[in-house]
Amino acid sequence: DQQVKQNSPSLSVQEGRISILNCDYTNSMFDYFLWYKKYPAEGPTFLISISSIKDKNEDGRFTVFLNKSAKHLSLHIVPSQPGDSAVYFCAASGNLGGTSYGKLTFGQGTILTVHP
Amino acid sequence: NAGVMQNPRHLVRRRGQEARLRCSPMKGHSHVYWYRQLPEEGLKFMVYLQKENIIDESGMPKERFSAEFPKEGPSILRIQQVVRGDSAAYFCASSRGGGITYNEQFFGPGTRLTVL
Repeated sequence: DQQVKQNSPSLSVQEGRISILNCDYTNSMFDYFLWYKKYPAEGPTFLISISSIKDKNEDGRFTVFLNKSAKHLSLHIVPSQPGDSAVYFCAASGNLGGTSYGKLTFGQGTILTVHP
Repeated sequence: NAGVMQNPRHLVRRRGQEARLRCSPMKGHSHVYWYRQLPEEGLKFMVYLQKENIIDESGMPKERFSAEFPKEGPSILRIQQVVRGDSAAYFCASSRGGGITYNEQFFGPGTRLTVL
């Protein structure tokens, strides 16, 4: 049961343009969402997070949008740079009882390639 | 370096041997999490620990796998009698806050286990 889905395995973007990475979730109890970037042979690097009380959170070139009714979130990167080329994972946690925020559920990842 | 540290980075074991993976959390973090990433998949939660306590082990296989986070020293993920299917990247994460509320988890570089 894949509760967090990233339906696009890959995305290719020109440098300077916008990259939009999408993520869908099925568990309505999820209320905290995170995006991570991962380079090969390294651990995931935290990028940005959003709680369900917001619909947008911005940090520099990165903006995350949350649409609770559609159970959908997206990560916008503007402008995209070649160094952004990596695998991007969305993750979710929620008030599922007890210490449930300690368990992140990850999507499968989207490979972003930014061409110079 | 104040980041999450894991060692070894690469570990090769023959079937039936034991594997021990170590994780030192970020300074000031007392919550540790272990995740596994199989080839071509996202990260899967295994276990959440605090000092001397296992908080959530719902993602741990029932047999051969164990984890601890002693009062002194790193957290240890132990896999007994390894099989080829255990070959994966194992990531440790840590957080300042616990699992009862939103918390950002910061990941180490991972240990890549290969079982021959």
